[in-house]
Amino acid sequence: GAVVSQHPSRVICKSGTSVKIECRSLDFQATTMFWYRQFPKQSLMLMATSNEGSKATYEQGVEKDKFLINHASLTLSTLTVTSAHPEDSSFYICSARDYMRQGAQLPYGYTFGSGTRLTVV
Amino acid sequence: ELKVEQNPLFLSMQEGKNYTIYCNYSTTSDRLYWYRQDPGKSLESLFVLLSNGAVKQEGRLMASLDTKARLSTLHITAAVHDLSATYFCAVHNNAGNMLTFGGGTRLMVKP
Repeated sequence: GAVVSQHPSRVICKSGTSVKIECRSLDFQATTMFWYRQFPKQSLMLMATSNEGSKATYEQGVEKDKFLINHASLTLSTLTVTSAHPEDSSFYICSARDYMRQGAQLPYGYTFGSGTRLTVV
Repeated sequence: ELKVEQNPLFLSMQEGKNYTIYCNYSTTSDRLYWYRQDPGKSLESLFVLLSNGAVKQEGRLMASLDTKARLSTLHITAAVHDLSATYFCAVHNNAGNMLTFGGGTRLMVKP
């Protein structure tokens, strides 16, 4: 089945530094990836939609300059949290939309990465 | 704008009991997903429901979809402790071609 690899799984950084999170589709091409943020005991909040070769579409209230998204290839999207602050501490999850899965009933499905726990100190 | 409401948000139940989690959504959609999340982990796909009247079952969990009522249910039969987790429904947003999540139901099954 479709696999999405997300790294790192856990990162601790100092306030003011930047952190990059990678999301890779391992066995399929993902023209579209999604980045979510999840605070403790809350649901997933969509931050942005990342499209290969074009600019990401950010949800209302998400700072584009703070959360930089790059989707330069069909298998890799990155989220960079710039000038991180303690309030950015959260669980970040990526998801890829899979168009080309063989044998699937659906034209596409959604596969989630394992998540990244970011702690800013 | 698609809105997805899940209830209850928290459910504490005894082993062996049955219960149902409800997922209501506000606009037409062509598919609905159920996921399980364990603490500190990402989402595990449980079910994808594609059409009105669709019913899927896996072990003690059964999901159904009523597109006319814009309602999906996740029924738990004879709960066991291993089912303790947070369950999310996610509705496919046809307009934006993305998923919109419900608030989640935190299920705790007590021995």
